Amino acid sequence: DVKVTQSSRYLVKRTGEKVFLECVQDMDHENMFWYRQDPGLGLRLIYFSYDVKMKEKGDIPEGYSVSREKKERFSLILESASTNQTSMYLCASILRRGEAFFGQGTRLTVV
Amino acid sequence: GNSVTQMEGPVTLSEEAFLTINCTYTATGYPSLFWYVQYPGEGLQLLLKATKADDKGSNKGFEATYRKETTSFHLEKGSVQVSDSAVYFCALREGSGGSNYKLTFGKGTLLTVNP
Repeated sequence: DVKVTQSSRYLVKRTGEKVFLECVQDMDHENMFWYRQDPGLGLRLIYFSYDVKMKEKGDIPEGYSVSREKKERFSLILESASTNQTSMYLCASILRRGEAFFGQGTRLTVV
Repeated sequence: GNSVTQMEGPVTLSEEAFLTINCTYTATGYPSLFWYVQYPGEGLQLLLKATKADDKGSNKGFEATYRKETTSFHLEKGSVQVSDSAVYFCALREGSGGSNYKLTFGKGTLLTVNP
């Protein structure tokens, strides 16, 4: 079974903090994605990566950055957390044919 | 750009009722289509998929047929169970090859099944 693991289920951070969300997959997949999920808005793509050290902006990259130093790990960084970044964050590893494997999600609250 | 539109919820049904969740899409080329399900407190997991026109994806009693002429991929189940209560997402994968691609999701439909 493919496993995608996100480092935290719940996080509470203060406004202005730098926040790291970590995601690790164990199946040597090339493509990894970060989405945020908000009620009524569905999943929105923040950033994705199709290889080590490669990254592409998604639909809502503002206020975020990413790091992919190793194939199995894809990190999402909130440079200076704000309250409008309170959300559920979902990491996914996606095969070429489109099948996605998601982590369990990180519910981030910025206070 | 690509987009997915699915019926707004929430949808509330009694056990053993028939389920339809509508999904239509806009895409260039020939996308692959997917339904994902998210149970409470969990990430999304693949429910079924179809990769070309007229393909039918099926799993756990759910079915969806890729209709190119109507750009639709409606999800159906003949008899729902309480355990089917979840959020359902329709999605498409753009592109016909290469390593640089992404999934576009609909907004999700919350299904609640009452005993």
